[in-house]
Amino acid sequence: QVQLKESGPGLVQPSQTLSLTCTVSGLSLTSNSVSWIRQPPGKGLEWMGVIWSNGGTDYNSAIKSRLSISRDTSKSQVFLKMNSLQTEDTAMYFCARNSYYFDYWGQGVMVTVSS
Amino acid sequence: DIQMTQSPASLSASLGETVTIECLASEDIYDILAWYQQKPGKSPQLLIYDASSLHTGVPSRFSGSGSGTQYSLKINSLQPEDFASYYCQNGLSALTFGSGTKLEIK
Repeated sequence: QVQLKESGPGLVQPSQTLSLTCTVSGLSLTSNSVSWIRQPPGKGLEWMGVIWSNGGTDYNSAIKSRLSISRDTSKSQVFLKMNSLQTEDTAMYFCARNSYYFDYWGQGVMVTVSS
Repeated sequence: DIQMTQSPASLSASLGETVTIECLASEDIYDILAWYQQKPGKSPQLLIYDASSLHTGVPSRFSGSGSGTQYSLKINSLQPEDFASYYCQNGLSALTFGSGTKLEIK
């Protein structure tokens, strides 16, 4: 069955770079697209960006300058890198399979930005 | 980017009641809209896609409607497991979410 699982550091210092990995199983990244979505504590969902099945990317205009999404199809992994982190980037980060909609989600990884 | 305005922000209802949540897009999204349910500490779950199509395994008491810029999610005969947060999502461009509706038990 389709599964996605996020991994990465739970704590990042301000101004540093966040690196997260989404490992997928039960689907091929060459025929499926994956998005990153985040949710600050007690707040709503924010779509961050997508890597399409053809390897192209699109990003939320609000964070585009800080964000990069890439993948390794041989390892079934999707990567998120976001630089210049601030406290307001503290959130649960999810990856999800993306068509027009998000039908499979990972469990999420909590990232806290603090010194 | 397309903005999604969701209302109400919170809603209190009793078991067995029927509730409706609204979502207004800043431009026509041609029914490319989804609704999600999220319970505390869990990932969101897809309920409705293409504005009115029920996702696999979703109970029929959930229904979606609307067109153009105006959409709604209706939940008939509320069950205990329905008390959660709900989000709409535009699938046309920039994939933006509404701000969410927290449904609480009265």
